Amino acid sequence: DIQMTQAPSSLSASVGDRVTIICRASQAVSNSLAWYQQKPGKAPKLLLYEASRMESGVPSRFSGSGSGTDYTLTISSLQPEDFATYYCQQYYNMPRTFGQGTKVEIK
Amino acid sequence: QLQLQESGPRLVKPSETLSLTCAVSDDSIRSTTYYWGWIRQPPGKGLEWIGSVYHSGSSYYKSSLKNRVTISLDTSKKQFSLSLTYVTAADTAVYYCARENHKFGDAFDIWGQGTLVTVSS
Repeated sequence: DIQMTQAPSSLSASVGDRVTIICRASQAVSNSLAWYQQKPGKAPKLLLYEASRMESGVPSRFSGSGSGTDYTLTISSLQPEDFATYYCQQYYNMPRTFGQGTKVEIK
Repeated sequence: QLQLQESGPRLVKPSETLSLTCAVSDDSIRSTTYYWGWIRQPPGKGLEWIGSVYHSGSSYYKSSLKNRVTISLDTSKKQFSLSLTYVTAADTAVYYCARENHKFGDAFDIWGQGTLVTVSS
């Protein structure tokens, strides 16, 4: 199974900050990587797929990059509605696996 | 837009079988573009993929659950189902059904609202 490791597990940031979350796979996943945002009590929401392609309706302050085993999610200017938990997920092969999540909290 | 809705018992006794159904609001369940999956989230913890079923009916499961889980597809009823046998307290979680979309790689683009299933006597 491909293990997905996110860093950090949590972070505190202020509105307007630039935030970067790292996701590392235990083997190359060939950009077959998605990022999700989850708010308390809600289902996850797809933000990005194929490592950097934005789902329709996602604000342009969200971006993704990476290749091979290392990927990043960047929020260029954190907004109040962005405080949530973010998960990466690989769909390169079965079984599908998620990172453990990164909780973005208000500083 | 497509909607997914989970249904089933919210309380299951230890050693019994957890059964959930996901209703699909349109005919996309018949399309070869999509797969259909179940993901769960124990209280306060992260997301765990359980398994996915393809339009052909073939399925894939998380290794550690493989002996207890079955996911099936019923295109005539526009639904797919999860069965998890011999449950324990560790199976208490919010269970989500979701669609894997080939147009987005195979990312999960549509999710149900989730249903909390508690395993307790």
